[in-house]
Amino acid sequence: SQTIHQWPATLVQPVGSPLSLECTVEGTSNPNLYWYRQAAGRGLQLLFYSVGIGQISSEVPQNLSASRPQDRQFILSSKKLLLSDSGFYLCAWDRGGGNRGGELFFGEGSRLTVL
Amino acid sequence: GEDVEQSLFLSVREGDSSVINCTYTDSSSTYLYWYKQEPGAGLQLLTYIFSNMDMKQDQRLTVLLNKKDKHLSLRIADTQTGDSAIYFCAESNQAGTALIFGKGTTLSVSS
Repeated sequence: SQTIHQWPATLVQPVGSPLSLECTVEGTSNPNLYWYRQAAGRGLQLLFYSVGIGQISSEVPQNLSASRPQDRQFILSSKKLLLSDSGFYLCAWDRGGGNRGGELFFGEGSRLTVL
Repeated sequence: GEDVEQSLFLSVREGDSSVINCTYTDSSSTYLYWYKQEPGAGLQLLTYIFSNMDMKQDQRLTVLLNKKDKHLSLRIADTQTGDSAIYFCAESNQAGTALIFGKGTTLSVSS
């Protein structure tokens, strides 16, 4: 069966510090991978998606970046965090190859607080 | 661009029916989805409807789709305290590469 892991689950970082959130998927190959951010009162915002290794699409301009060094690994990074980067970050995957049966599988989320 | 709108809060009593409404903009979306998020957790797919259907029923859940008005609703019959969660409506983006979510409706069920 497929599983998705995100870590760390909770993170408190000072403004200006770097960020690295990691996500791995097990039990499937060539998934589409996504990073969403859930901020208070703003719903779920798509940040990045990836259809393959090294292929990253950004949905919104920001000081965050994403990388996909391996097929089932997706990393969200920042060189210098801003207060506005606080939020609940969710990694998700679905079956790639154009098979959009509709179900996104989400990780448990990483709560980032920037102080 | 695509946009999905939902009311933010709904409060019901245990045993009543809950109806959560959603409007969307992209009429080309093949599927429309309802996801549920319990406190402090990720989202899980609750149900979805194919765009050429008007209604889908799954146990206590009924999804109604009005394509003309681009309106989607989720009805939960006999709402239980365990149904308290945030419910997200979602559609595919125009490129078909990702899901666009509404802001979520927080359902509060009181006993």
